[in-house]
Amino acid sequence: EIVLTQSPGTLSLSPGERATLSCRASQSVSSTYLAWYQQKPGQAPRLLIYAASTRATGLPDRFSGSGSGTDFTLTISRLEPEDCAVYYCQQYGSSSWTFGQGTKVEIK
Amino acid sequence: EVQVVESGGDLMQPGGSLRLSCAASGFTVSSNYMSWVRQAPGKGLEWVSLISNGGSTYYADSVKGRFTISRDNSKNTLYLQMNSLRAEDTAVYYCATSPTGAKFYFAYWGQGTLVTVSS
Repeated sequence: EIVLTQSPGTLSLSPGERATLSCRASQSVSSTYLAWYQQKPGQAPRLLIYAASTRATGLPDRFSGSGSGTDFTLTISRLEPEDCAVYYCQQYGSSSWTFGQGTKVEIK
Repeated sequence: EVQVVESGGDLMQPGGSLRLSCAASGFTVSSNYMSWVRQAPGKGLEWVSLISNGGSTYYADSVKGRFTISRDNSKNTLYLQMNSLRAEDTAVYYCATSPTGAKFYFAYWGQGTLVTVSS
């Protein structure tokens, strides 16, 4: 089973700053199979990015995904207060779907 | 508009059985990939099970042999039959769906239903 490790565990930044979230896989993952989700407190997760870099419908372009192989990144170019949430990466492989442990983004 | 609404969560004793339901609207469950994903209190997300549009089923090792995913096309509803419940099955269970060709991720999510397993 592929294990996804996200870093940092918590990111504390000010509005307008750039957030860079990392997702590292224990073995190579096809870019087609890598997605990112946002979960705000008390809410269900929301799909942000799929196929490593394709934004979900309606997602602001300040969110972007990149990466390949074992290293993937979610970037929020200019943080806004409503971006306070936990972000999860997720991969598919060998008929199994796994999530990273999440990165919490706090707004100062 | 695609919408999924879960129901059936309850307080259960260890060893008990429970069936969760996920009512779909805006699409047909038989055309999409349908999944259950759970989240233990204060923890991260864990994929539980998926049924493909062709009817193939997949399970996480943690629930294999105890949980069964199914769907009723006439009711446009997804189910998760949970047997031999354990304390570690305590979680919010989310129903999620993705359109054909998008089985690699979970596009739409419900608000979840809470299952608590405790004596």
